[in-house]
Amino acid sequence: DQQVKQNSPSLSVQEGRISILNCDYTNSMFDYFLWYKKYPAEGPTFLISISSIKDKNEDGRFTVFLNKSAKHLSLHIVPSQPGDSAVYFCAAQNMEYGNKLVFGAGTILRVKS
Amino acid sequence: GAVVSQHPSRVICKSGTSVKIECRSLDFQATTMFWYRQFPKKSLMLMATSNEGSKATYEQGVEKDKFLINHASLTLSTLTVTSAHPEDSSFYICSASRGTSYNEQFFGPGTRLTVL
Repeated sequence: DQQVKQNSPSLSVQEGRISILNCDYTNSMFDYFLWYKKYPAEGPTFLISISSIKDKNEDGRFTVFLNKSAKHLSLHIVPSQPGDSAVYFCAAQNMEYGNKLVFGAGTILRVKS
Repeated sequence: GAVVSQHPSRVICKSGTSVKIECRSLDFQATTMFWYRQFPKKSLMLMATSNEGSKATYEQGVEKDKFLINHASLTLSTLTVTSAHPEDSSFYICSASRGTSYNEQFFGPGTRLTVL
C-alpha cells in the first residue's frame, strides 16, 4: 500500500519556465511533508518542507503548497534552471512514528536549455 | 555541517558472501540512523531504524537475519548483507538524525551493491 504517491514519473520543462511536481498521500495522520532532490548515485538532499498547519512555504525559487483536504502537495520551481534536473522525492512524516520518512516513487525533472 | 558518509560507494561480490556497509555522521552525533534501499525507478524503502546501543527496528518484510544492523556508536552504523544473492543487488542509502528535530534527516551518498 503506497501511502505517498508521485504519479508523474517524469517531467520536462523549458529553462526559465515553471516546474510543478505533484504528490498525493493517503494517510491523514501525516503532519509534515518534505521534498528531496536526488542526483544519480547520490543520496537525497533536503530541499524544502511544510508542516500540516500551513498551506504554503516558500524558499527562494522553491515553493511548496499543501492542500490537506485533497491530501495533495506540490512543489513549484520558478524559474527552472538546467541544474534543477534531478529526481525529486516527496516524503511524509507522522510525529507518532518518530523521524520515519515515507517516500514517493520520485519524479525525474529535466530542464531543457 | 551535518555530513553523512558511506563506505564503500560501490561493491561487487559473489553470491553467498557477506558485505558490510558503513554509515558515518562526520560532524555530529546521530541519535538515530536509518537504512533505506532503492530499487531502480522506485522509491526509497525504509529497511530499519537504529538507535545507538540498542537493537534495530526492522520494517515489515525485511529479514533481520539477512540484513544485520549494528549501531555501535553515535557516529557509526553498519549494515551487513549476509549470504548475499543477486536479488540483494540494490542501492543502499543511510541517513542520520541529530534528534534536535524529529523531521531532520541527513542522507549519505549511498552504496551500490552488485551481487554476481
